Amino acid sequence: DTGVSQNPRHKITKRGQNVTFRCDPISEHNRLYWYRQTLGQGPEFLTYFQNEAQLEKSRLLSDRFSAERPKGSFSTLEIQRTEQGDSAMYLCASSSGSPRSYEQYFGPGTRLTVT
Amino acid sequence: AQSVTQLGSHVSVSEGALVLLRCNYSSSVPPYLFWYVQYPNQGLQLLLKYTTGATLVKGINGFEAEFKKSETSFHLTKPSAHMSDAAEYFCAVTKNTGFQKLVFGTGTRLLVSP
Repeated sequence: DTGVSQNPRHKITKRGQNVTFRCDPISEHNRLYWYRQTLGQGPEFLTYFQNEAQLEKSRLLSDRFSAERPKGSFSTLEIQRTEQGDSAMYLCASSSGSPRSYEQYFGPGTRLTVT
Repeated sequence: AQSVTQLGSHVSVSEGALVLLRCNYSSSVPPYLFWYVQYPNQGLQLLLKYTTGATLVKGINGFEAEFKKSETSFHLTKPSAHMSDAAEYFCAVTKNTGFQKLVFGTGTRLLVSP
């Protein structure tokens, strides 16, 4: 069990560019979550996948954001036409699909800086 | 809707002193409650959780928390602080049924002085 991994760990991009982040969940976990954390704040929920189906999206996820989880394995989060307000830590978490499993395991995050 | 309030954005203690980090929640359904710790430039690590059963829950690194429904609180404590406890601590709440996104508080930074 190598835990949740995220790549890249850091990304610096210019305003208007597109960026894509990747999350690899714990292998047996079928639930995957994306959160965003800005400086001095707690993480805020963005979106949720159960297997390959995206079942919930936050209002924070504007049209410039898209997330996928092909084949129910890794997930990608893409931000198009980045804005300075997108600068944040993007966290991925996964959990087991068993009914009594409530724990979400977090990856180390991808820190995005938009200049 | 669910929400979490963490009183005190910063808490300072001396090494060996009691640690008390406060968390109050709001939930229209029975909640599940969590404390996570975050070290600089890292993800979140689960310290402990309350789901059902015993209201006093013990976690890793000597931390514990007590669920008090009447006070809608889930305060985190540790009898004796270590330098290594210096970090950001987040309280989170989720529903006990269905889809389970976590709703986090704004966090409390724990500072430990020698």
